[in-house]
Amino acid sequence: QVQLVQSGAEVKKPGASVKVSCKASGYSFSDFYIYWMRQAPGQGLEWMGWMNPESGGTKYAQNLQGRVTMTRDTSISTAYMELSSLTPDDTAVYFCARDKVVGGTCDYWGQGTLVTVSS
Amino acid sequence: DIQMTQSPSSLSASVGDRVTITCRASQSISKFLNWYQQRPGKAPNLLIYAASNLQSGVPSRFSGSGSGTDFTLTISSLQPEDFATYFCQQSYSSPPTFGQGTKVEIK
Repeated sequence: QVQLVQSGAEVKKPGASVKVSCKASGYSFSDFYIYWMRQAPGQGLEWMGWMNPESGGTKYAQNLQGRVTMTRDTSISTAYMELSSLTPDDTAVYFCARDKVVGGTCDYWGQGTLVTVSS
Repeated sequence: DIQMTQSPSSLSASVGDRVTITCRASQSISKFLNWYQQRPGKAPNLLIYAASNLQSGVPSRFSGSGSGTDFTLTISSLQPEDFATYFCQQSYSSPPTFGQGTKVEIK
C-alpha cells in the first residue's frame, strides 16, 4: 500500500534551519510529484512547493523563495524539505503529499511533522 | 493567486442530516477543484477530485458538483466519523490554493 512516512517533530531556535524527510513506499517514487504543504496552529493549508522526483525539478511558493529547498534521494525513495532562517511564524505542521496528477491533486499524505520555532 | 472562499466557516448538524458546503473561486477554474477532509491531528484526506469524481475508498455519501467558480460538497447522510474540517482546493493554476475550511460539528 502507498505510504509516506515523515520524520519526527523538531524544535528550533529563530534563525536556524530545519530539514524534514518524507519516505515513500508502495509505488514507484519517480512517477509522481511530491508536494509540500504546511498548516500553522488552528489555520488552513498553505502550499510550499513541489518537486519532480524523476528530474529533481522544483517550484516554490513565491513567499518562501530563497528560504526553502526541496531535494530527493531516489535510491531510498525519500524527499526532503529544508527551510532556513526560521522565525516563530514558521511554527506549523509540515506535510508531504503525492500528486495524483500533475497540478496538485494530493491522494496520499504523510502524517505531518510539527516544527516549533521558539527561543 | 486564485482566492478560494468557503461557506459556512462552521456548521452544526446531527447524524443523518444532509450537509452542503460551498466553495467559490475568485476566477473560473473549470472543474479543477478538489475536496479534502481533515480530522483533528491528522493529515488531509482526498474525498473528491476534479469537482465531482469520488476518490477510491471514499464512501458514496460524499458527492461534489459545480464548475467555473461555484462548487458544492454534499454529505447525503452525516455519519459520526464525518465530524471534521473540510477544505476545497483549486488545481487549475499555480500556486494551488485552499479554502479556509469548514468545520462540521455535532449538534
